[in-house]
Formats: sequence, structure tokens, C-alpha cells
Amino acid sequence: DTGVSQDPRHKITKRGQNVTFRCDPISEHNRLYWYRQTLGQGPEFLTYFQNEAQLEKSRLLSDRFSAERPKGSFSTLEIQRTEQGDSAMYLCASSSWTREYEQYFGPGTRLTVT
Amino acid sequence: GESVGLHLPTLSVQEGDNSIINCAYSNSASDYFIWYKQESGKGPQFIIDIRSNMDKRQGQRVTVLLNKTVKHLSLQIAATQPGDSAVYFCASGQNFVFGPGTRLSVLP
Repeated sequence: DTGVSQDPRHKITKRGQNVTFRCDPISEHNRLYWYRQTLGQGPEFLTYFQNEAQLEKSRLLSDRFSAERPKGSFSTLEIQRTEQGDSAMYLCASSSWTREYEQYFGPGTRLTVT
Repeated sequence: GESVGLHLPTLSVQEGDNSIINCAYSNSASDYFIWYKQESGKGPQFIIDIRSNMDKRQGQRVTVLLNKTVKHLSLQIAATQPGDSAVYFCASGQNFVFGPGTRLSVLP
């Protein structure tokens, strides 16, 4: 399967703990995006990378959130000191620079903070 | 801030009928609009996009219409099938803004 993959698919954590999610984009895509989606809402943009450079961050991305894409391939999203309000689906997407708006999404990581 | 929204949160259509899902946007500077389909338990799936300099674009069984005068776009699905049941999002490509989605239910 050459689609976008995310790991883990589900994560349950206690408030205050740190969590890290991984995204593996489609191999030839140089753009990678992170979104957050809550029940009944559309995805909310968090950040995106072009190769290893983080080009844009939403104001939704508080200081507790950090994303990396060290070698321009996979990316990680870390949430420190999780809060119950962080409970959501975290979606990763990738696209090529020639078709940047045609984003291919992974299945998401569902985070539950208890 | 920029917003993208759909007119109806839910839409039910009979199998075989045509579906029309509407969306309004606020940012006149958006250069691209995209429609995504999201099935339960899956990430959104790209359907079709349209540049702001176009009025209409057709794909396989889908047509997107863009009316810049009233800042409105629509997705038309021809001969709706049970597999079309999903949540549909319109999105502005300018700043990756998604609307809240319309849930399409196809009735047998």
C-alpha cells in the first residue's frame, strides 16, 4: 500500500502525559500537513512542511505542540502535557508541489485524553 | 478570519437521483477550492478541485460549479449510489480552511 500511513491509530493517555504520533507520507510527495478533527467538524489545519522546512503553523498549534520532519520524509507530531481538550482525530496528509491542493490523507490517529 | 461553510449539515437523496451539496466561502482571494469525501473511520479523500478562474469543472459523475459573485460553490453528484454516502467537505486551498461538512445519506 503506497498511501499515507499513521501510527498509532488509537492512543489513550492520561492528562499531563506526552504523546507522539508518526506520519509516513506518499514517498514522492514533498509536502506534508497535519490537521486536527473533532466530532462533527471539518479538519482544522495545524501545520505543514515542504521537505524538511516547516512553512506554516496555525495559531491553534500552542507551545505544547511540536512537529518535525527531520529528513523530509516521515513526520512526528508531539503533544506535551496533554489536556482533555486535545482529544481529537489527528490527520496527516501529503501532496506533491505540482498539485499542492490535491492532498492525500492518512487514516488518522484518534487521541483520547482521560 | 476566513470561513468556509456548507448550507445544510445533512442531505438525504434517493439512490439514482442527483445530489447537490452547497458551500459558501468568505475569502475572495482564494485561488482554489476543493471537495473532499470522508467515509466513516477514514481520512478525507480528494474528489475534485476548481481554480478561481473557472466556473465549472467536471469529473467522473461529479461537477463542481463556482459562482464568485456570490461566493458560492456546489458539488453535483450524478446518479447517486449507496457508496456515495459520506460526509462531504468543501475547502479553500488558500489557507487550508475546511467547512463543517454535509452528511449525504443515500436511501434505497
